[in-house]
Amino acid sequence: GQQLNQSPQSMFIQEGEDVSMNCTSSSIFNTWLWYKQDPGEGPVLLIALYKAGELTSNGRLTAQFGITRKDSFLNISASIPSDVGIYFCAGHTSGTYKYIFGTGTRLKVLA
Amino acid sequence: DARVTQTPRHKVTEMGQEVTMRCQPILGHNTVFWYRQTMMQGLELLAYFRNRAPLDDSGMPKDRFSAEMPDATLATLKIQPSEPRDSAVYFCASVLRLAGTYNEQFFGPGTRLTVL
Repeated sequence: GQQLNQSPQSMFIQEGEDVSMNCTSSSIFNTWLWYKQDPGEGPVLLIALYKAGELTSNGRLTAQFGITRKDSFLNISASIPSDVGIYFCAGHTSGTYKYIFGTGTRLKVLA
Repeated sequence: DARVTQTPRHKVTEMGQEVTMRCQPILGHNTVFWYRQTMMQGLELLAYFRNRAPLDDSGMPKDRFSAEMPDATLATLKIQPSEPRDSAVYFCASVLRLAGTYNEQFFGPGTRLTVL
């Protein structure tokens, strides 16, 4: 099935560093969702974005809905060891039921 | 706090056996999804229900998979007979409704299925 391009695929960072990841699509979405998945668990919703250009924060996480509506970015500031996991983006178009998921960014934090 | 629940969390079975996975969506959510997650394929949509009616199950192998919602608080995914290639993590997700700011999709913890 269709997947969104998400980059980077994986990254190692030092504790305390900021992290950036993004998701791009060839299609326009009305909603962007960002999830984190810990090993052995289901994806947990972190941030939802509904308007082009919207910037939304959740603690140390900040996500932006791209102006073109074809991309989205997630930033994590001052990373900590519990930020380890896989981060997924998902796009949704109003009037449809399908959520298109990114391929995931695997984050590893070095203490 | 409201969350999607799934049982069992883990299931190991032998090829040919029937497997039933259960999901309780968040109360009041009218849209339920079943996904399968593997390393190779990522998250695959298997089935989608709205107001308990199955609207798309084209992602499921029809000969062995079936999905139902006997009532608004229970969704089931059944595999009969199971095969080793069915080994994966199966997620249920629910949405309040697919419109505006109500389309946030919440996932359950998953059922990790191993078919020997």
